[in-house]
Amino acid sequence: QLQLQESGPGLVKPSETLSLTCTVSGGSISSSSYYWGWIRQPPGKGLEWIGSIYYSGSTYYNPSLKSRVTISVDTSKNQFSLKLSSVTAADTAVYYCARHSRVAVRGVISFPTDYWGQGTLVTVSS
Amino acid sequence: DIQMTQSPSSVSASVGDRVTITCRASQGISSWLAWYQQKPGKAPKLLIYAASSLQSGVPSRFSGSGSGTDFTLTISSLQPEDFATYYCQQANSFPLFTFGPGTKVDIK
Repeated sequence: QLQLQESGPGLVKPSETLSLTCTVSGGSISSSSYYWGWIRQPPGKGLEWIGSIYYSGSTYYNPSLKSRVTISVDTSKNQFSLKLSSVTAADTAVYYCARHSRVAVRGVISFPTDYWGQGTLVTVSS
Repeated sequence: DIQMTQSPSSVSASVGDRVTITCRASQGISSWLAWYQQKPGKAPKLLIYAASSLQSGVPSRFSGSGSGTDFTLTISSLQPEDFATYYCQQANSFPLFTFGPGTKVDIK
């Protein structure tokens, strides 16, 4: 059974860099059928896609966060990571790592987010 | 950028009711739409992908329909475990995703 687990500091100071790692177990991060992503949810609010990465290292970012986000992958450790720079209180959120799976339906290729980590709360405060 | 809207933002319903949630995209997204269920303190769970395909293990009372800009999630007979918040997600511009704002289904 595939499992994703986020890890990293739960408290980050304003203007510093938030760093999280997602460890994937029960499956390989190097499969061509998957992308791996980060999604966040501020307390009491909705979901916001941050960005995704392919095992080859190709990255895709939310345009609204692109200037501050870096996602990387370490296939040897079956992990991928998120760095968000210059954080403010508005970046306080539960951060989820997730898998997007390639599926074909009636000739349409889709990438639903079918596995999620449990989420980790990151608070930005001095 | 493709924007997603959902209606209603919340709905109160009783066990056994039929519940319909609508998601609208600001431009056509073909069938690139998924639906998720989220309960408090938990990660979202995939229900429907490609607008109408039921994810493995999801009860058949959940169904999705639509294409282009207008989509619907229907719960045919609401069960106690279905009280949650539901989100739509577009992936027409994959790998760029956008979520809708969510619809909370609570007990009447």
